Amino acid sequence: EAEVAQSPRYKITEKSQAVAFWCDPISGHATLYWYRQILGQGPELLVQFQDESVVDDSQLPKDRFSAERLKGVDSTLKIQPAELGDSAMYLCASSSSFAGMQFFGPGTRLTVL
Amino acid sequence: SQQGEEDPQALSIQEGENATMNCSYKTSINNLQWYRQNSGRGLVHLILIRSNEREKHSGRLRVTLDTSKKSSSLLITASRAADTASYFCATDGVAGSQGNLIFGKGTKLSVKP
Repeated sequence: EAEVAQSPRYKITEKSQAVAFWCDPISGHATLYWYRQILGQGPELLVQFQDESVVDDSQLPKDRFSAERLKGVDSTLKIQPAELGDSAMYLCASSSSFAGMQFFGPGTRLTVL
Repeated sequence: SQQGEEDPQALSIQEGENATMNCSYKTSINNLQWYRQNSGRGLVHLILIRSNEREKHSGRLRVTLDTSKKSSSLLITASRAADTASYFCATDGVAGSQGNLIFGKGTKLSVKP
């Protein structure tokens, strides 16, 4: 069964350092999402791609966060510099249809010390 | 911001009992989805109900939608220990929507064997 892949699964970093997360969506899924989930909360959308184009990045803190999906397949989310408040689970999801069901990866648990 | 609001925040039941979780939302929607998340993992899609549907079934799951009250409920019948997880509702808003989902804070379900 096809799955969304994410790496790393866990990342511990010190504040002011740079971190990067990678996501490989299900093959053929044009829509890719990055979410941040704080413990005890629901996921909140950071950025949405349709192929290689950003559809929605209104909630992305652009002073420190960046995301790209250069060839419209896999994607990278970067934080530079990391802050203590960035500690959270970062989830990637993909979808084959606009506004349809989303398939989530296992997530990357980020801890900023 | 989170549109969906699940109720209760936490629910503890015995194996074999039914579990009911409720979700309220604020704006008009195209569809409402329910997801499950096991501790420390990614989300798994359970069921999607469209705004013109009132009830939907999938195995032991039954979802209802009342658009006049802007609310939905998820019923899990004959619960099992393996149903222990957090359950989230997610809405896809109509106005200005880019097809992304807005998640609630979730209901944490504990099923005791």
